[in-house]
Amino acid sequence: DADVTQTPRNRITKTGKRIMLECSQTKGHDRMYWYRQDPGLGLRLIYYSFDVKDINKGEISDGYSVSRQAQAKFSLSLESAIPNQTALYFCATRKTDEETQYFGPGTRLLVL
Amino acid sequence: EDQVTQSPEALRLQEGESSSLNCSYTVSGLRGLFWYRQDPGKGPEFLFTLYSAGEEKEKERLKATLTKKESFLHITAPKPEDSATYLCAVQASGATNKLIFGTGTLLAVQP
Repeated sequence: DADVTQTPRNRITKTGKRIMLECSQTKGHDRMYWYRQDPGLGLRLIYYSFDVKDINKGEISDGYSVSRQAQAKFSLSLESAIPNQTALYFCATRKTDEETQYFGPGTRLLVL
Repeated sequence: EDQVTQSPEALRLQEGESSSLNCSYTVSGLRGLFWYRQDPGKGPEFLFTLYSAGEEKEKERLKATLTKKESFLHITAPKPEDSATYLCAVQASGATNKLIFGTGTLLAVQP
């Protein structure tokens, strides 16, 4: 079984709709991250969380919100989706005393 | 401004033809440099972490090296299954969570 899972893997939605992307991990890591990947731009950080009570904005948090429901679960919400939020979304996890981040398989989101 | 630049953007090799991918970086104090492999439609897969200039790490046909300004990913006698996008990322010493990614090198190895 995969250590970091994301659901859904693919999603098509319409402008203005609220959607939620979910991430779960069995690695026991306390730090979790959400990134988006766009062609030619590389991965960019949206939000990150050190633990359940700690949420921090990344470089492109506008239009997004997150919820850390438990150590193992970190959800990303688009309150009112817009077409330029069409992208690949990745969740990542990291152990506090290590530097390496481990990524999930991604969610491909299309906003029409 | 912290920045990562990867070159070339794309590289096509014949099976067995060794080559190197470059990752140049400017960062205010390097905490770590990371190499990932990404296959189409999948998440980045961790390959290596390098922490200081002069450090080298190897895994099968891949070898990563680090200097004060750049890192190289050497691919020796590549096989078609090595075809993927290779991503480089750096973490600055003052930003304990932010990874700055390059845009990647798309490697195609032809049989």
